Parts: sequence; structure tokens; C-alpha cells
Amino acid sequence: EMVLTQSPGTLCLSPGERATLSCRASQSISSSYLAWYQQKPGQAPRLLIYAASSRATGIPDRFSGRGSGTDFTLTITGLEPEDFAVYYCQHYGSTPTCTFGQGTKLEIK
Amino acid sequence: QLQLQESGPGLVKPSDTLSLTCTVSGGPISSSLYYWGWIRQPPGKGLQYVGSIFYSGSMHSNPSLNSRVTVSIKTSESQFSLKLSSVAAADTAVYYCARIPYCSGGSCYGWSNYVDVWGKGTTVTVSS
Repeated sequence: EMVLTQSPGTLCLSPGERATLSCRASQSISSSYLAWYQQKPGQAPRLLIYAASSRATGIPDRFSGRGSGTDFTLTITGLEPEDFAVYYCQHYGSTPTCTFGQGTKLEIK
Repeated sequence: QLQLQESGPGLVKPSDTLSLTCTVSGGPISSSLYYWGWIRQPPGKGLQYVGSIFYSGSMHSNPSLNSRVTVSIKTSESQFSLKLSSVAAADTAVYYCARIPYCSGGSCYGWSNYVDVWGKGTTVTVSS
């Protein structure tokens, strides 16, 4: 069964800095079937990236995704105050279920 | 703009059946373009796919939930529902209803795709 491991668990940065979040898969992910979500306290997740690098509708271009195989990255350039949240990766396009990572919390330093 | 709204009891007794409904507004539920699903999040933890349904009635559920999941749809009422039987404390979570695109980027994944629209979520506590 696929396991997604996100690192670091917590990332402390200041507004304006660049954030790099990692998602590592236990098996190779074909065709980059990987998505990223942002979740703020008390809110539902929001889709940011799908197909590893495609931004969802309305997502600012400071969010970018890349990767293939087992290693994927979400990068946020020029952190805004509203970007501090928890980020999850998700593998889809497989059976018997789709899988989420455990999350990375992005905190203000 | 499409909106999803969960409803149902916030407290369920152990061994009982959890029942939730999601009402879809602002768009058709009878569409071959989407699955309609449930994702849950235990307190302080990550996300778990629970199950989903197509407008035709084709259903899929997470095998780790040991066949306790039933997802159904009422297209005439723009609603789909979740039933989770024999609940225990581990089923305490925020339950989100969700729209799952059937296809994207020229490929079709059925139920196993990303979620592009989420409901606000409803908290369900399992306790006597």
C-alpha cells in the first residue's frame, strides 16, 4: 500500500521567504498523479496543485509543484501571511484507495 | 458557484450507524463528469478517503473501513449520503463531502482523483 511521507513536519519561516515542502512516496507514482492541498484552522482543505505541477483555478502563481517518481515538492515563493497553514499531498489514480500524506505545518517565525 | 453542505447528527453512540447527508447546490449532481465523495479527518490528524458514488449509483469505499461504508445518491434531491455502521471512538472526525472529477488532463480516474470542491465539514463524535 502506498505511503506518502511529508517533510518537514513543521516549517518555521517569515513572510517574504521561500518555502519548500517535500512529499516522498513509498512507490513510484505513475504519470505524476499527485495533488497538494492547503488547510487553515477550522476550514476545509483547498486544492492547490494537481498532476504534480498544474495549479488549480484561482491559485496564485507563487505556488508551484514539481517532481516525479517518488519525490515531489511544493514551493511557495514570497510567503504571504495567509499562506501559513497545513499542507497535504495526495496520491490518486490508483486502487484500492487514494492516499494522503500526514501534512506539513507552515508556521510564522 | 457549486456549494456542498453536510448535515447530520453530531453525536453517535458506539456500535450505532453514522448517517450524514450532503446537499449540492449551484450545479447538477447528475453529471457524468464527477464522483461525489466523503473524506474524514480525526481530531488533530490527517485526511482519510472514506467512499464515493457516481450519479449512476456506482459506489466505491476505502477497504480499510472493512465494508462498513455505504454511499448512496438521490439525484432528484441533489443529495448524496454516507452511512458508516458499527462505529467506534476511532470514527470520531470531521467529515467532509467532496466533488471528485471523473477525468482531468485527458485521463479518467473515476473515484480515484483529487478533490476540487469541498464542503465545510461536520464534526461527528462517537461517544456514549
